[in-house]
Amino acid sequence: QVRLVQSGAEVKKPGASVKVSCKASDHTFTNYGLTWVRQAPGQGLDWMGCISAHNEVTTYAQTLQGRVTMTTDTATTTAYMELRNLRSDDTATYYCALTTVGTGWPLDIWGQGTMVTVSP
Amino acid sequence: QSALTQPPSASGSPGQSVTISCTGTSSDVGTYNFVSWYQHHPGKAPNLVIFEVSKRPSGVPDRFSAFKSGNTASLTVSGLQAEDEADYYCSSYAGRNTVIFGGGTKLTVL
Repeated sequence: QVRLVQSGAEVKKPGASVKVSCKASDHTFTNYGLTWVRQAPGQGLDWMGCISAHNEVTTYAQTLQGRVTMTTDTATTTAYMELRNLRSDDTATYYCALTTVGTGWPLDIWGQGTMVTVSP
Repeated sequence: QSALTQPPSASGSPGQSVTISCTGTSSDVGTYNFVSWYQHHPGKAPNLVIFEVSKRPSGVPDRFSAFKSGNTASLTVSGLQAEDEADYYCSSYAGRNTVIFGGGTKLTVL
């Protein structure tokens, strides 16, 4: 079964950008869709958007439009999520997750999460 | 899009059953049979326990069951065990490749 390994924790200042990576363990990654989800401290899960790994079609949450870009590199089986113009309320754990079962984007394989802290 | 509505907390004793509701609208839960449920232990990645309203992924025990009626989906955990204590989130496909999550329910095993 494919596994996802994310990059390490980040500390950024307001207004900066962060790019989180999510590396899949094998090339079957290109057969699936990948979603980014975040969880702020003490809050629930927040859907950020999704990308089709084989054709890079993306859909972003309206609240993040213009600040987020999701990409994939099929050669290295790595997905990336870049968030720009960071604010304090972007402090959260960011997860990538794959859909390998079903329809409607159920997320059955998750990365371990990446903590991003935005602080002056 | 507002988050799907879940009760903030639920509880039950070991061996009992507990049901968690998830209420959406006719734009998401009511239209699409693409409701998922996740178990989330703090500090770990969420774990998919139900997809497409009532299907269990491989490895998820049949103590987890779910259904949908109208704009409301429900997850039932039967034969409660200590390890079931976690946060539970529902999600629904909402059209145009978008997904919406519920606010989460903290399940306590008494």
